[in-house]
Amino acid sequence: AQSVTQPDIHITVSEGASLELRCNYSYGATPYLFWYVQSPGQGLQLLLKYFSGDTLVQGIKGFEAEFKRSQSSFNLRKPSVHWSDAAEYFCAVAAGSGGYQKVTFGTGTKLQVIP
Amino acid sequence: DAGVIQSPRHEVTEMGQEVTLRCKPISGHNSLFWYRQTMMRGLELLIYFNNNVPIDDSGMPEDRFSAKMPNASFSTLKIQPSEPRDSAVYFCASSFYSGGGTDTQYFGPGTRLTVL
Repeated sequence: AQSVTQPDIHITVSEGASLELRCNYSYGATPYLFWYVQSPGQGLQLLLKYFSGDTLVQGIKGFEAEFKRSQSSFNLRKPSVHWSDAAEYFCAVAAGSGGYQKVTFGTGTKLQVIP
Repeated sequence: DAGVIQSPRHEVTEMGQEVTLRCKPISGHNSLFWYRQTMMRGLELLIYFNNNVPIDDSGMPEDRFSAKMPNASFSTLKIQPSEPRDSAVYFCASSFYSGGGTDTQYFGPGTRLTVL
């Protein structure tokens, strides 16, 4: 079965600084990969996804992520963080055989942005 | 688009009571998911429906939990009887699954359940 690891539970960055959130997955083949963001009291919103093709994926709100097969990673990046980016970020992987591919979520990384 | 609609947004009940959570998926979507989010266990898939049929209910904790999808625009998650350990945020998500591979799930705002 697939699994997702987000090693950082909590990250604090200064506004305007760059950001990288780590995500590692475990699966034998190439999975489908997602990053979601959850603001307090809200549901999850899709930031970006990787299904195939270009390994550098652009998403909403200025985020991007790079799929690195050799490292089994799908790290999320943003060159300049805004205070409104403070939220919890979830990496997810969809994998499996047959027609249905179950999505497994990581435990999340909570981002704090300081002025 | 209205997005995925869940009701109620908050529910406080006493142990032993029946709780029913409701979800209206995005129009045109054929897949519906119920998730539970807690601090201890993170986000867990409870059940997945495709074309109103339950496909994967391996995440349903026990017989106290049941889910139905009587039509393409409505689903319920019922807990009877409820227990304090059921306190969590319950999310409904929907997607359009065209067969093969996977799809993007769109989440509702969640129902925060507190069982006293």
